[in-house]
Amino acid sequence: AQSVTQLGSHVSVSEGALVLLRCNYSSSVPPYLFWYVQYPNQGLQLLLKYTSAATLVKGINGFEAEFKKSETSFHLTKPSAHMSDAAEYFCAVSSNDYKLSFGAGTTVTVRA
Amino acid sequence: GAGVSQSPRYKVAKRGQDVALRCDPISGHVSLFWYQQALGQGPEFLTYFQNEAQLDKSGLPSDRFFAERPEGSVSTLKIQRTQQEDSAVYLCASSLDPNTEAFFGQGTRLTVV
Repeated sequence: AQSVTQLGSHVSVSEGALVLLRCNYSSSVPPYLFWYVQYPNQGLQLLLKYTSAATLVKGINGFEAEFKKSETSFHLTKPSAHMSDAAEYFCAVSSNDYKLSFGAGTTVTVRA
Repeated sequence: GAGVSQSPRYKVAKRGQDVALRCDPISGHVSLFWYQQALGQGPEFLTYFQNEAQLDKSGLPSDRFFAERPEGSVSTLKIQRTQQEDSAVYLCASSLDPNTEAFFGQGTRLTVV
């Protein structure tokens, strides 16, 4: 079985500051790991995906995440926050690449 | 259409009523998924189709939940005798095949009163 824990349900950052969203996973097999973003009244959009090809994964909108097996973590970062980054972010894990187990989500607000 | 389309966007049902939620996947997408997202939670997997075959229904919470995709395109999620705990956003997603990116619809918000 797989599960994901997202640390912090709300994160507030200043525009231009680093965005760091934490995700820890548990999986009995080598996992696929994902970050999704959800804007209000919209569906989930894939930001990036880890499939064991490289530990540092670059995604859309300047986001990246690093897979650390020793820490069972897959934290999401963006060097400089933009107002348009305000949204809810979900980390997800899968062992078979179709059945996703999501975390509870982290809401990001960006202060001008 | 360009994306996954779900209808209705909002549904209010009286407790005990049956509801049907529709998903139009992206044309040509083989895989189709349903997820349930309760308020303040992440989505929870309900079921998975490959074409018309329902390959995984392990996430359906009870036998009141039923999903179908008879022609391998449009899918319907049916909930019989709705209860208050069924209130949630129901998300549909589709992908070209199981190993490619899944695209999510905007969801149907079901409120059972």
